[in-house]
Amino acid sequence: EVQLVESGGALVKPGGSLILSCAASGFTFSRYDMDWVRQAPGKGLEWVASITSSSTYIHYADSVRGRFTISRDNAKNSLFLHMSSLRGEDTAVYYCARDFGTNGYDFDYWGQGTLVTVSS
Amino acid sequence: DIQMTQSPSSLSAAVGDRVTITCRASQTINKYLNWYQQRPGKAPKLLIYVASTLQSGVPARFSGSGSGTDFTLTISSLQPEDFATYYCQQSSLTPITFGQGTRLEIK
Repeated sequence: EVQLVESGGALVKPGGSLILSCAASGFTFSRYDMDWVRQAPGKGLEWVASITSSSTYIHYADSVRGRFTISRDNAKNSLFLHMSSLRGEDTAVYYCARDFGTNGYDFDYWGQGTLVTVSS
Repeated sequence: DIQMTQSPSSLSAAVGDRVTITCRASQTINKYLNWYQQRPGKAPKLLIYVASTLQSGVPARFSGSGSGTDFTLTISSLQPEDFATYYCQQSSLTPITFGQGTRLEIK
């Protein structure tokens, strides 16, 4: 059974940093591109970042570029999101998602999400 | 960036009704359009990918159509578990963008 389990969400002050993790199981993690998608409270879905299976290509939303870094450790079946210079508008549930599409960016499995709250 | 616009933003319907949600892209995206269902407090669930392909395990009452800039999601006969929020998403170009969502409520 495919499982994605996020962790690391917390209450953090503006300007602070945080690292989110996503533990993958039930599939060959190293064969799939992975993404982070977030959802602010009561709002819609916003794509954050993507990373290809071997970390060759990485893309970011403009709203996080230069502040967030996506990475992965295929040996540990783990995906990460390093978040710095956090702002109030980064408050959201952060989901990791598996990308299965041949064209890319088709998300067939999602984690349960981890909540990041940025507030003083 | 490609803007995705869904209509309506909310919809009231009864069990057994046929419902259609539309999604329009600000530029052509060929068939690179996905649909997701999200129930309150839960992660999104993929329903349809590349505009019309039903994801494994999704009931056949869900269907998708369209290409270019205009797409539709149809639920042929609403079931109680279908009352949720639906999002379209373009997978053509980064940044990947989602529609604002359509909230489907019980009439």
